Amino acid sequence: QVQLQESGPGVVRPSQTLSLTCRVSGGAISGTSFSWNWIRQSPGKGLEWLGHIAYTGTTGTTSYSPALKSRLNISPDVYYNDRFSLTLKSMSDADTAVYYCARGELAAIGVWGQGIPVSVS
Amino acid sequence: QSLLTQPASVSGSPGQSITISCTRAGNDVDGFKYVAWYQQYPGKVPKLLSFDVSHRPSGLPNRFSASKSGNTASLTISGLQPDDEANYFCSSYTTFNTVLFGGGTQVTVL
Repeated sequence: QVQLQESGPGVVRPSQTLSLTCRVSGGAISGTSFSWNWIRQSPGKGLEWLGHIAYTGTTGTTSYSPALKSRLNISPDVYYNDRFSLTLKSMSDADTAVYYCARGELAAIGVWGQGIPVSVS
Repeated sequence: QSLLTQPASVSGSPGQSITISCTRAGNDVDGFKYVAWYQQYPGKVPKLLSFDVSHRPSGLPNRFSASKSGNTASLTISGLQPDDEANYFCSSYTTFNTVLFGGGTQVTVL
């Protein structure tokens, strides 16, 4: 059974860059028909989709939320086919949230990591 | 760009049925073909309730049913139970290969 686990810092200073990694247990991220997503949830707020890598076979295509596209990068790990990462530049208070990595198919995000709280302070 | 609008809250008594709506607004007409619904308890990870408009993941009670008509998707919870008190989100996959989430609906069991 596939499981996802986020890792990274819990606190980031304003204007700095956030880097998070998602490790997938039980499968690779390429060679599948799934999308590998980053989603966040600010305190007391709703879900915000950030972006994903979507694979068709071994070819991955990235898509980003228009609101974050200029600051966001999502990429597969160069060495390990069971990991993908998020970098978000110029962090501010508005970026304080729980960040989830998740596996999806089109609109259906079926497998979620436990989430990692990130505070900008 | 499209938006998905949900009511902020819906309530019902145990045993009743309630329906949560998710209305698409915007120019991406074909971007509402794929709709999913999620349940989230406070402090917990969202759980997928339905996908491709009306399909349920295996093992999910058939008290949860989803449908779509035009620009509005709906999630109906039948036989409302205290455990159904949670936040519910819809999502859709756009023609730009992005995912949209609705703002969420808090369900209260009276």
